[in-house]
Amino acid sequence: TQLLEQSPQFLSIQEGENLTVYCNSSSVFSSLQWYRQEPGEGPVLLVTVVTGGEVKKLKRLTFQFGDARKDSSLHITAAQPGDTGLYLCAGILNSGYSTLTFGKGTMLLVSP
Amino acid sequence: EAQVTQNPRYLITVTGKKLTVTCSQNMNHEYMSWYRQDPGLGLRQIYYSMNVEVTDKGDVPEGYKVSRKEKRNFPLILESPSPNQTSLYFCASSLSTLDHNEQFFGPGTRLTVL
Repeated sequence: TQLLEQSPQFLSIQEGENLTVYCNSSSVFSSLQWYRQEPGEGPVLLVTVVTGGEVKKLKRLTFQFGDARKDSSLHITAAQPGDTGLYLCAGILNSGYSTLTFGKGTMLLVSP
Repeated sequence: EAQVTQNPRYLITVTGKKLTVTCSQNMNHEYMSWYRQDPGLGLRQIYYSMNVEVTDKGDVPEGYKVSRKEKRNFPLILESPSPNQTSLYFCASSLSTLDHNEQFFGPGTRLTVL
């Protein structure tokens, strides 16, 4: 059973479109992170959300942590080809716990 | 430059031939971890280390060994590799325990076991 479910698995859009990626769980997380992984490279952290209901913005990317700290979303406005990559959500179940649980990821392809 | 390095980047080997994948970080991080990434399964943790001489199993430790004799190095050892260990491996490090701390990933090692 996957602890963190990401949807959609794949997303292919045109430059300029908006999109939302979801990360859902039945478990409560003390914090949740979003990473982006480009081909041939390791994941790179985009954001960490800690408080239920928290919203963080990173240029055209908006991240939200659900009120109950069980889910999160990533919204990209006016997607660009440079946004192409694998987006991974990862959560820590309990404070001080040493395992970061990853979702399977959403592969985003933005065409010019 | 702050980074996590892994060697080799690519490796093709045969079943049963012992191998070691090295991982080194220059950020004085306490926490280090190994993951494997497989299509349809995502990133899964193999082993982690919270400090020197402290290691613990992750979600998929079978067939792997690790050691943490120095703070900067965390090698992954496959004593007798099998084809089901063919995968993309990532080493990662973090300042301390994972609470809100960013994990820095290495560039990956693509391993093929024939």
